[in-house]
Amino acid sequence: EPEVTQTPSHQVTQMGQEVILRCVPISNHLYFYWYRQILGQKVEFLVSFYNNEISEKSEIFDDQFSVERPDGSNFTLKIRSTKLEDSAMYFCASIRLLGAGYEQYFGPGTRLTVT
Amino acid sequence: KQEVTQIPAALSVPEGENLVLNCSFTDSAIYNLQWFRQDPGKGLTSLLLIQSSQREQTSGRLNASLDKSSGRSTLYIAASQPGDSATYLCAVKEGGSEKLVFGKGTKLTVNP
Repeated sequence: EPEVTQTPSHQVTQMGQEVILRCVPISNHLYFYWYRQILGQKVEFLVSFYNNEISEKSEIFDDQFSVERPDGSNFTLKIRSTKLEDSAMYFCASIRLLGAGYEQYFGPGTRLTVT
Repeated sequence: KQEVTQIPAALSVPEGENLVLNCSFTDSAIYNLQWFRQDPGKGLTSLLLIQSSQREQTSGRLNASLDKSSGRSTLYIAASQPGDSATYLCAVKEGGSEKLVFGKGTKLTVNP
């Protein structure tokens, strides 16, 4: 069964460093998402992406964050200058089409630890 | 602003028991509602998706209901097993937005 994959599974970085989290969505999916979950808290929406553009973003997704689909398969989240409060589990999700159904499929997540 | 609440926060039951997890949301203008399972340190596995026009969905021992007008959904698990131990998350999608809004989850422990 097709699934969303994410790499790395765990990333440790120092405050102020740039990190890139990578996702490979399901191959025929067209809409892509990033969410994060700070330990012990709710899963929060960051950004949605379609047709090489951001279609929606939350207030969390400030200028320190960016997303890109550099090729036909990868979808990346970049954090330019990490802060301690960026430590969280980051989940990528995808769906095939908007409209009826709209079931989001999630990857296993990348645990980001900022020291 | 949509808020999703799940009660109880934690639940411990003996194996074989039937149980109900609750989810409530403040704005009834939702597009759909999705139940997920999350194992410790892991990703989210979709269990059931209910469209706003539907009243319930079933998959194996799981049954999810939706009462949109009252802003409530329940997840019923029949004949619980130790392998059902996980955190169960409820999330709603509103019309006009692509994002899912999540509850904090119910941590379920099924004791052998």
